[in-house]
Amino acid sequence: KAGVTQTPRYLIKTRGQQVTLSCSPISGHRSVSWYQQTPGQGLQFLFEYFSETQRNKGNFPGRFSGRQFSNSRSEMNVSTLELGDSALYLCASSLHSQGQGNTEAFFGQGTRLTVV
Amino acid sequence: TQLLEQSPQFLSIQEGENLTVYCNSSSVFSSLQWYRQEPGEGPVLLVTVVTGGEVKKLKRLTFQFGDARKDSSLHITAAQPGDTGLYLCAGVTNSNSGYALNFGKGTSLLVTP
Repeated sequence: KAGVTQTPRYLIKTRGQQVTLSCSPISGHRSVSWYQQTPGQGLQFLFEYFSETQRNKGNFPGRFSGRQFSNSRSEMNVSTLELGDSALYLCASSLHSQGQGNTEAFFGQGTRLTVV
Repeated sequence: TQLLEQSPQFLSIQEGENLTVYCNSSSVFSSLQWYRQEPGEGPVLLVTVVTGGEVKKLKRLTFQFGDARKDSSLHITAAQPGDTGLYLCAGVTNSNSGYALNFGKGTSLLVTP
């Protein structure tokens, strides 16, 4: 079956702009989580969506937001981009919510965002 | 704040050598996962450990979860160039505010022929 698909793979934006990233989970998976990966901070949890509801949110400013659609596809939006937002943004899909036992998370290849 | 500290940060060894990577925390986790990430790819789950003191083996990889469920180690026997990658540990916390997967910064492993 197809894996987790993230689009676009690469993106260059200017400070102050906003950006929307997309994630299509594995068919049948209802949970989508988003992470930011940087060399300095590593992988940091942004938020998790399950059945169109945000279940948990990491310690990121309100400029970072997301949503999930009825087909489980998810989007992540970052407004008023800052240079420090340059990172690899990864999404992971799971069959169940991660809170339900040890559900395996399947990661996409990520979107490499560069803010100039 | 990083809940999980991984060491060493970088490791460069020759093919055939053994190595151990450590993942430590002051927090207790309901379970702990190990992932491997190759350049340009997302992390891929290797194993999940749940019970304190648990040991799991995956071919040449041995994973151990500490008795208090705060730390873990990954031991690779007879490393091969194909083991090269970023090894990440992630602790699962599940509270009233929901689920979160807390990653360490990773150990970057290079195995040379």
